[in-house]
Amino acid sequence: DIQMTQSPSSLSASVGDRVTITCRASQSISTYLNWYQQKPGKAPKFLIYVASSLQSGVPSRFSGSGSGTDFTLTISSLQPEDFATYYCQQSYSTPPTFGQGTKVEIK
Amino acid sequence: EVQLLESGGGLVQPGGSLRLFCAASGFTFSSYAMSWVRQAPGKGLEWVSAISGSDGSTYYADSVKGRFTISRDNSRNTLYLQMNSLRAEDTAVYYCAKDLLSSSWYYFDCWGQGTLVTVSS
Repeated sequence: DIQMTQSPSSLSASVGDRVTITCRASQSISTYLNWYQQKPGKAPKFLIYVASSLQSGVPSRFSGSGSGTDFTLTISSLQPEDFATYYCQQSYSTPPTFGQGTKVEIK
Repeated sequence: EVQLLESGGGLVQPGGSLRLFCAASGFTFSSYAMSWVRQAPGKGLEWVSAISGSDGSTYYADSVKGRFTISRDNSRNTLYLQMNSLRAEDTAVYYCAKDLLSSSWYYFDCWGQGTLVTVSS
């Protein structure tokens, strides 16, 4: 199975900050990398697919990049509604696997 | 509007069985692969199983293989997960999730609200 590792596990940031979350795959996955946002008690929300394509309806302050084994999710200007946990997930092979999550908290 | 609504969760004893349901609406259900993804309390996301749109191909995580069975009824727009020989470590919120494209696998663009399964004596 492909292991996905996110860093950091948590971070504190202020409204307006630029935030970057990193995801590393244990082997090359090309650009088969997706990002999700989850708020407490809610289902995950699909943000970005194939590393950099923004899902319809997702604000443009979210962006993704990377290929191979190293990927990043960037929030250009953090908004109050962005405080949540973010997960990366590879769709390169079965089983699809998720990173452990990065919790973005209010500073 | 795409909607997924899970049901069937509850409290079950170790070794018991439970069947989960996911009622889908707002899209051509038979055209899309569907998955179950679970989340143990306070933990991350774990993919459980997937089924193709029409040819019935199924896939399972090693942790549930031989105990869980995924199926679908395209005439009823419903996804199922039959869970047997349940263990304490199966305790989680179970989500059904739809794939992004009719030709894709594992791009989970829409999720249900989840149903809680608790395995305890």
